[in-house]
Amino acid sequence: DTGVSQNPRHKITKRGQNVTFRCDPISEHNRLYWYRQTLGQGPEFLTYFQNEAQLEKSRLLSDRFSAERPKGSFSTLEIQRTEQGDSAMYLCASSSEGRTEAFFGQGTRLTVV
Amino acid sequence: AQSVSQHNHHVILSEAASLELGCNYSYGGTVNLFWYVQYPGQHLQLLLKYFSGDPLVKGIKGFEAEFIKSKFSFNLRKPSVQWSDTAEYFCAVTLGNAGNMLTFGGGTRLMVKP
Repeated sequence: DTGVSQNPRHKITKRGQNVTFRCDPISEHNRLYWYRQTLGQGPEFLTYFQNEAQLEKSRLLSDRFSAERPKGSFSTLEIQRTEQGDSAMYLCASSSEGRTEAFFGQGTRLTVV
Repeated sequence: AQSVSQHNHHVILSEAASLELGCNYSYGGTVNLFWYVQYPGQHLQLLLKYFSGDPLVKGIKGFEAEFIKSKFSFNLRKPSVQWSDTAEYFCAVTLGNAGNMLTFGGGTRLMVKP
C-alpha cells in the first residue's frame, strides 16, 4: 500500500458528461501530481500542485480539464464534456519537497462510451 | 522539452536469463533518473533512482542501473530474472530541482517464462 488513494477506481461515463476524480496523497507530502496513461504508453504529466497552489499545467490539460487542491491536502480532477479520447488511466502521485521520488496511487480508469 | 526513449517495447526471457533494458533521455542539464515497475493490476512502484554520486545504482529485488552521462543513458539490469519479474518497466527523468515532474518513457513489457 503506497498510501496514495484514488477514487473511484473505475468510471464509465457517456460522452458529454462531466466526471470528477479524487486523490488523497500521503499525508506529509506537500506536492501532488496528476498524470494520464493510455494503453501502451508511459504516463504523461498533466498538472502539479505544491500545497494548494497549482504551479504547472501541461498543454495536454485542455480547458475542459480542471484540477484543484483547495486545502493543500486532497485534490480533485474534473473533466467536463467528456470525449472518447479522454478514456485513459488517470494517475495521482505525491512527493515531499526536494529531490525525492514520487509515490503513485492505483489510478482511476475512465472509459467514455 | 526533455524526452525519454525505451528501445525495447516487449521482451520475453526465460527464468535465470540476464536482463538489460535500455533507456536514453534527451536533456543537457542536470537530471534525476528513475526506474518504475508496474506489476499486473498494481500501481507504479519505484525500483531505483539516481540523483548524484556513484553512477551504479542498486535497487530493490536485485535490479541495478548505470548512469552513463556521456551516452545520456540509464539502462536497467538484472543478472538472473524470475517469473515474478513479469511486469512493465518505465524509465523516467526529472530536471534538476524543477518540481519533480516526471517525464516517462513508453515502457517495456517484460514477460518471463517459467
